[in-house]
Amino acid sequence: DTEVTQTPKHLVMGMTNKKSLKCEQHMGHRAMYWYKQKAKKPPELMFVYSYEKLSINESVPSRFSPECPNSSLLNLHLHALQPEDSALYLCASSQNPLAGPTQYFGPGTRLLVL
Amino acid sequence: GNSVTQMEGPVTLSEEAFLTINCTYTATGYPSLFWYVQYPGEGLQLLLKATKADDKGSNKGFEATYRKETTSFHLEKGSVQVSDSAVYFCALRGETSGSRLTFGEGTQLTVNP
Repeated sequence: DTEVTQTPKHLVMGMTNKKSLKCEQHMGHRAMYWYKQKAKKPPELMFVYSYEKLSINESVPSRFSPECPNSSLLNLHLHALQPEDSALYLCASSQNPLAGPTQYFGPGTRLLVL
Repeated sequence: GNSVTQMEGPVTLSEEAFLTINCTYTATGYPSLFWYVQYPGEGLQLLLKATKADDKGSNKGFEATYRKETTSFHLEKGSVQVSDSAVYFCALRGETSGSRLTFGEGTQLTVNP
């Protein structure tokens, strides 16, 4: 089983709203990732969690706040987003950052900011 | 730094045609190489991978061989189907990149019946 699940599938929010994206995996992976993907472009790395600790933040604006409550769950809290933040947000996981290089992606949350 | 160059799309083929999508890379040492596929409206799915030189990854009729001498990982399929229509991303994970993936720009494939 190489499944990463994400909820919700679609999200529409205003610029003053607060919402959260959720990601879950039950493969025992200890590295989890958030990516942002704009149309017709490859995914861009936002955050990496390694053993539930934030290890990489790619200079993402503070209106995006990641959280890793346990080894299976990853959240992305959204607040005061801008229309240009509209994109597909992908979660991924891998065995761990130092071994098992393969990342497995979820289906994504398509976010529209009005 | 690491980089991946894919052939530009879009690529349009008829059903049962032969497919090649070129991918070349720049990296030090021996990176791991991947092909991911993204169907319309979906996330990325791992299609195949190769972690050392001369390895051949294969899945669902697709193949790619890790060629260190030409720094390439071209994707091939002998007979494409309409259901193969998607965007294909070549990616690498460098030996010293930690967990970072470097993606190519993606190649849109459309297969017509």
